[in-house]
Amino acid sequence: KQEVTQIPAALSVPEGENLVLNCSFTDSAIYNLQWFRQDPGKGLTSLLLIQSSQREQTSGRLNASLDKSSGRSTLYIAASQPGDSATYLCAVSRTPYNTDKLIFGTGTRLQVFP
Amino acid sequence: GAVVSQHPSWVICKSGTSVKIECRSLDFQATTMFWYRQFPKQSLMLMATSNEGSKATYEQGVEKDKFLINHASLTLSTLTVTSAHPEDSSFYICSAPGTGVTQYFGPGTRLLVL
Repeated sequence: KQEVTQIPAALSVPEGENLVLNCSFTDSAIYNLQWFRQDPGKGLTSLLLIQSSQREQTSGRLNASLDKSSGRSTLYIAASQPGDSATYLCAVSRTPYNTDKLIFGTGTRLQVFP
Repeated sequence: GAVVSQHPSWVICKSGTSVKIECRSLDFQATTMFWYRQFPKQSLMLMATSNEGSKATYEQGVEKDKFLINHASLTLSTLTVTSAHPEDSSFYICSAPGTGVTQYFGPGTRLLVL
């Protein structure tokens, strides 16, 4: 059974810091891994998606890397801002089909203070 | 872009009553939709996969007679929590596959059972 864990569970940092959020999964037989952002009481916004054949993806101040063989992914946030405060979730998919379920990690609650 | 809506956004009900939550894909068709539950400060847990025109597929440990799912059209899936109890209080989120590997998530429905 796939288990996805995120470390740290919570993080509080001053504005401007560079951050690394970690995601680990027990079964390396994944097709892709996604990082999502969830604001309090809201749905999910997809940030980055990495196919298993890729090693990293970048979008603005965000960079996600994937080491499939070791079952790890990291989300790097550069020059953090208060607007980055949210819960960050990683999720893995076993197949390339978007009709297959996602298995979510435990989440990291991030607070960036001015 | 593709949008998934949920109604209601929040609901408060008395213990023993039934509550229906709607999930709609607004500008695309979805033969499959997913229902997740999220308890406070926890991650999303998949409850069931809703299939248009056929029975839903429930995850292990989810009572299908308590959480009734109907996917009567290509744009609408409903989740009915029957005889709700306080332990059913949670944040319910649906998602629908879009193009490629994308899934689009609804904004969620917060249920409070008194």
